[in-house]
Amino acid sequence: NAGVTQTPKFQVLKTGQSMTLQCAQDMNHNSMYWYRQDPGMGLRLIYYSASEGTTDKGEVPNGYNVSRSTTEDFPLRLLSAAPSQTSVYFCASSEMDGYTEAFFGQGTRLTVV
Amino acid sequence: DAKTTQPNSMESNEEEPVHLPCNHSTISGTDYIHWYRQLPSQGPEYVIHGLTSNVNNRMASLAIAEDRKSSTLILHRATLRDAAVYYCSGGQTGANNLFFGTGTRLTVIP
Repeated sequence: NAGVTQTPKFQVLKTGQSMTLQCAQDMNHNSMYWYRQDPGMGLRLIYYSASEGTTDKGEVPNGYNVSRSTTEDFPLRLLSAAPSQTSVYFCASSEMDGYTEAFFGQGTRLTVV
Repeated sequence: DAKTTQPNSMESNEEEPVHLPCNHSTISGTDYIHWYRQLPSQGPEYVIHGLTSNVNNRMASLAIAEDRKSSTLILHRATLRDAAVYYCSGGQTGANNLFFGTGTRLTVIP
C-alpha cells in the first residue's frame, strides 16, 4: 500500500517557469490537501479538495492552481515560479474531510532561483 | 481563518510524561481536534484526534477541555524517538479543518 505519493522529491526552477507537482493516493480518499512549509511558519494550507471535481482555496493560494479530475490525483501547478515559492510542499489525503486521520506524502523540496 | 496557538518549544526528560498544549480560539461544535507530528526530513504523521471526549491510542492521549477551546496531547513516557515538531489542528468552521499552526518542537533529553 503506497499511501500518498509525491513526485518529484526535489526540483529546481528558474523564476518565471511553470511546473506541476504531482500527488497521488491509492486509499480511495475523498479529501486531498496541499500544504507548504517554510522555516518558522509551520504548515500552511494552499488548496484542498473535499471530493473529486471540487477544489477550494486555503490560506495561501496565490500563484498556484489545482484540479481534481480523479479521486486519486491532485496536482498542484505553479503558474509562474517566484523565489517566494521556494519551500517544501506536502500533499495529504483523508477519507472524510476533517473527521478522519490524514495521511501525508514525503514532500517535494522546491527551490526557485 | 482557523486559529490555533502552541508554544514554540518544550523540553522533556526521557521516560517522563509530556503535556503539549494547544489553544483553539475559533473552534466550532463540529470541528474535530487533530494532532500530528513531524520527524526530521519526513512528512507529518497522524498522532490522535477527537471531538469532545478524551481519547487514547497506542501513541498518546488527548485531553479536550470542556469548552473545547484547548486541548493537551499527552505522551505518557517520552522517548528519544518522540523528539519532533507537534502540530495541532482545530478551529475552522466549514468544510475543512486541517489548518495547522506553527507547531511545538519537542526536545527529549536523555
